[in-house]
Amino acid sequence: GQQLNQSPQSMFIQEGEDVSMNCTSSSIFNTWLWYKQDPGEGPVLLIALYKAGELTSNGRLTAQFGITRKDSFLNISASIPSDVGIYFCAGRRETSGSRLTFGEGTQLTVNP
Amino acid sequence: DGGITQSPKYLFRKEGQNVTLSCEQNLNHDAMYWYRQDPGQGLRLIYYSQIVNDFQKGDIAEGYSVSREKKESFPLTVTSAQKNPTAFYLCASSRTGEGQFFGPGTRLTVL
Repeated sequence: GQQLNQSPQSMFIQEGEDVSMNCTSSSIFNTWLWYKQDPGEGPVLLIALYKAGELTSNGRLTAQFGITRKDSFLNISASIPSDVGIYFCAGRRETSGSRLTFGEGTQLTVNP
Repeated sequence: DGGITQSPKYLFRKEGQNVTLSCEQNLNHDAMYWYRQDPGQGLRLIYYSQIVNDFQKGDIAEGYSVSREKKESFPLTVTSAQKNPTAFYLCASSRTGEGQFFGPGTRLTVL
């Protein structure tokens, strides 16, 4: 199946810095989701976006559904060591029912 | 507590044996999914079910089989026809049109 283009692949930052990652596609999506996965665990849903232009926050996390419906970004402000993990974007196309398309993930490392 | 459970957490099998991975949810979700994750990679869809007694192949269904006899349960069988079965297997569920919630995963190692 088609993959989303997620970037960057990895990030190494200092504690306290802000982080930004994004996903893009050539297809239109009607739902964008952001997940975090810790090693050996299942992904945890962070933010769900259902409307173009929507901007949603969850604590220090903010995500936006791009106005073209072909992209989304996730920002993490004032990073802390427990933010370490892999962040995945996922999108649902109108024609794909309940199926999601996943990005390849962004590996985040936070140095104390 | 509501959630998705997968058992066991770790599973070892000999090559050539079939093995069944369990997935149960008590969230009253209609849809359930199975994904495979290989080291350093994203999630690939194996099978999904949007309603009881119905399921569809995902992107990598060869060598796998599923059943959906109950809303709460969606077991995955890794058959001997799967050429490279060692992987991390993730089950998820969702309400129709909403985000998917994942279980803790089962790490299968075929010796």
